[in-house]
Amino acid sequence: QQQVKQSPQSLIVQKGGISIINCAYENTAFDYFPWYQQFPGKGPALLIAIRPDVSEKKEGRFTISFNKSAKQFSLHIMDSQPGDSATYFCAAPSQGGKLIFGQGTELSVKP
Amino acid sequence: DAGVIQSPRHEVTEMGQEVTLRCKPISGHDYLFWYRQTMMRGLELLIYFNNNVPIDDSGMPEDRFSAKMPNASFSTLKIQPSEPRDSAVYFCASSSGQRIQYFGAGTRLSVL
Repeated sequence: QQQVKQSPQSLIVQKGGISIINCAYENTAFDYFPWYQQFPGKGPALLIAIRPDVSEKKEGRFTISFNKSAKQFSLHIMDSQPGDSATYFCAAPSQGGKLIFGQGTELSVKP
Repeated sequence: DAGVIQSPRHEVTEMGQEVTLRCKPISGHDYLFWYRQTMMRGLELLIYFNNNVPIDDSGMPEDRFSAKMPNASFSTLKIQPSEPRDSAVYFCASSSGQRIQYFGAGTRLSVL
């Protein structure tokens, strides 16, 4: 069973700071790596995704950096806001349409 | 589209009872996934279907768990008999092809 290792487990950031979450994956041959955001009482929702043929993708304050040779990718949240407080999951595709999710990072942005 | 719809949102039952969780995927999606989320184990894939056919049930914890997808618009996850350790949030997700998965709001199950 492939694994995706996500760190840190929890993160506290001051408002306006940068939040960084890292993920490492094992061998995979598929074409995108998504990040999901989950608020309490809700299901995970796609936040941003990257294809392995690009090294970085930015959407607003959210940026994914991808290092294919190191099998690592990270999520950066610039100018973090209290509304960003949520649990974030990285995922990597596995065989047959499955996603392998990381353990999640609970982000708390303090005002 | 209304998104993935799960019912009930909350279920409280006693140990030994049968529990049935329901899911309506997004229309046109051909993949359906059942996940369980707990603090200890995170988000675990239990089983998934492609075109209503179970593809991989290796995540189903034991024979007490079963899942069906009788048609493209409905799936159930059944636990019989339920145990306190089954208490978790159960999510259903659907996708079109091997792409983005859309999750429902989940069913919070408490087994007393």
